[in-house]
Amino acid sequence: NAGVTQTPKFQVLKTGQSMTLQCAQDMNHEYMSWYRQDPGMGLRLIHYSVGAGITDQGEVPNGYNVSRSTTEDFPLRLLSAAPSQTSVYFCASSKIDRLNTEAFFGQGTRLTVV
Amino acid sequence: AQSVTQLGSHVSVSEGALVLLRCNYSSSVPPYLFWYVQYPNQGLQLLLKYTSAATLVKGINGFEAEFKKSETSFHLTKPSAHMSDAAEYFCAVRTYNNNDMRFGAGTRLTVKP
Repeated sequence: NAGVTQTPKFQVLKTGQSMTLQCAQDMNHEYMSWYRQDPGMGLRLIHYSVGAGITDQGEVPNGYNVSRSTTEDFPLRLLSAAPSQTSVYFCASSKIDRLNTEAFFGQGTRLTVV
Repeated sequence: AQSVTQLGSHVSVSEGALVLLRCNYSSSVPPYLFWYVQYPNQGLQLLLKYTSAATLVKGINGFEAEFKKSETSFHLTKPSAHMSDAAEYFCAVRTYNNNDMRFGAGTRLTVKP
């Protein structure tokens, strides 16, 4: 059971570089989202998607882009990395259902921008 | 918009003592509430969830939480702490008209021998 898979697990970037964090799920979940986790701030929602072709902004979207071309994949793009984007990034997925709306999380990507 | 507040960023208990982690929510519509646990260098794992079926919810590893609408609270408890309970715990809220899941700042639980 793969669940939610994130790659890479660790990444170091130089300021101004770009990169894509990959996220894939094999549970046929409609809803996918990206969070960043910073000490003392919990998890903050960056972007989310309710289905292929549909994305929207969360609490902290600046500096990040997303797209959803398939149900399974939801990549997060940093176009020009900044030290403030040093964080641990989590991808999550869930079914859109009123009675069973828990989210399943990947193992995270630890990103350092120098 | 819905939100949760976790009181206490760090809680320390002795092994065998009661664990109480506090969570208060803010929502204008009936909420769905969750507790997640995060062990070091890992993702988040669901402990339990409230979805209006019952106000007292039992989860994994002996944890439970009680939904109290009058107090807008969803505190997490465990009668007897174990060393393996040391982790960070997050309360989260989602409302039926908004699939966003919003998290509290987290509470780090330390268990002393």
